[in-house]
Amino acid sequence: ILNVEQSPQSLHVQEGDSTNFTCSFPSSNFYALHWYRWETAKSPEALFVMTLNGDEKKKGRISATLNTKEGYSYLYIKGSQPEDSATYLCAFSQGGYQKVTFGTGTKLQVIP
Amino acid sequence: GAGVSQSPRYKVAKRGQDVALRCDPISGHVSLFWYQQALGQGPEFLTYFQNEAQLDKSGLPSDRFFAERPEGSVSTLKIQRTQQEDSAVYLCASSQSRDRGLGEQFFGPGTRLTVL
Repeated sequence: ILNVEQSPQSLHVQEGDSTNFTCSFPSSNFYALHWYRWETAKSPEALFVMTLNGDEKKKGRISATLNTKEGYSYLYIKGSQPEDSATYLCAFSQGGYQKVTFGTGTKLQVIP
Repeated sequence: GAGVSQSPRYKVAKRGQDVALRCDPISGHVSLFWYQQALGQGPEFLTYFQNEAQLDKSGLPSDRFFAERPEGSVSTLKIQRTQQEDSAVYLCASSQSRDRGLGEQFFGPGTRLTVL
């Protein structure tokens, strides 16, 4: 069983604040790391997929980094807005089997 | 074009009833996934199809769970003799990639199943 852990479980930030959260995964036989955003009453939507150690991806005010050797990824949100309120899920796959395993998510609430 | 759709969106079943949950993936998407999400948890893998072939059913929790995708498009997840522990949101996702570890998954809105 692969353990994908996300922290914190939830957080509240003020509008305009920057924030970040963590996804930890097994460092052996890494294949890919995905980030998804899941807004209430909507479907999860893909943000990033990363495959290389040291990878950095950016989409608007959201960016992500990847460290496959130590088994973690950070998601950063700069200048949080109320529309960023959502649950952020990471998902990890290993080489060979390639099944995608999801973490439990970080629930972000941005207070206007 | 249209995204992934699932029906019904909500289903209430009495314990012991059989239920069928439907997923319409994005047209042309080769890969299709079913996940179960219990309250406060992340999506848990149930099964994976590539076209009509069910390549992985290792996540199905018991032989009461059965999934099919006979023509490589629409998929149905069937749960026989439902139990209270089956109460969860069932998510379907599709991907145009055959590489299930790498491909971006497009999710449906889910079916919330409540077993009384």
